[in-house]
Amino acid sequence: TQLLEQSPQFLSIQEGENLTVYCNSSSVFSSLQWYRQEPGEGPVLLVTVVTGGEVKKLKRLTFQFGDARKDSSLHITAAQPGDTGLYLCAGVANAGNMLTFGGGTRLMVKP
Amino acid sequence: SAVISQKPSRDICQRGTSLTIQCQVDSQVTMMFWYRQQPGQSLTLIATANQGSEATYESGFVIDKFPISRPNLTFSTLTVSNMSPEDSSIYLCSVEDWGTYNEQFFGPGTRLTVL
Repeated sequence: TQLLEQSPQFLSIQEGENLTVYCNSSSVFSSLQWYRQEPGEGPVLLVTVVTGGEVKKLKRLTFQFGDARKDSSLHITAAQPGDTGLYLCAGVANAGNMLTFGGGTRLMVKP
Repeated sequence: SAVISQKPSRDICQRGTSLTIQCQVDSQVTMMFWYRQQPGQSLTLIATANQGSEATYESGFVIDKFPISRPNLTFSTLTVSNMSPEDSSIYLCSVEDWGTYNEQFFGPGTRLTVL
């Protein structure tokens, strides 16, 4: 059982559609990060959220941290083929000091 | 953010042999990590590479199989020893940013195939 559960695991959509990826846990996190990984490359940090209820926007991507700091979501508006990749959430639980990664969501956006 | 390079970028190896992967950072960093990413999967932490002392291994990973060196604050190596096809994977090194929320920056990875 992973500390961070991501859903869905796979998502295939058409260009222009909206989508939401979820990252859930029963543990409280001091901070939570979202990464995107493209084939042949390492993960790249997109955003860090640290305050319960926090919302951050990065162009068409909207990130939210749950009020209780146990969950997060990533919403993409009008997805484009360039958004294709593996999306990973990661965080440090309050009781720990190591970064833990979720299982990942593999997104494919078809033109 | 730090710029991280890895060598080799990919390799195909015979079972029973060993491969050493190098990770170079363009600035001094305290924390360096090695991860394994199996095809289509998320990242699994192998170990934390400590400068001047032995690496700290996660459950399921041992020093005899994955020896790690960290001779200074900008360089580390991971060796995959006595390889088997089950070791076929992407191996990634990462560094932690100074004084932030454990944010990590990753190298491009080494894609290893063991025949």
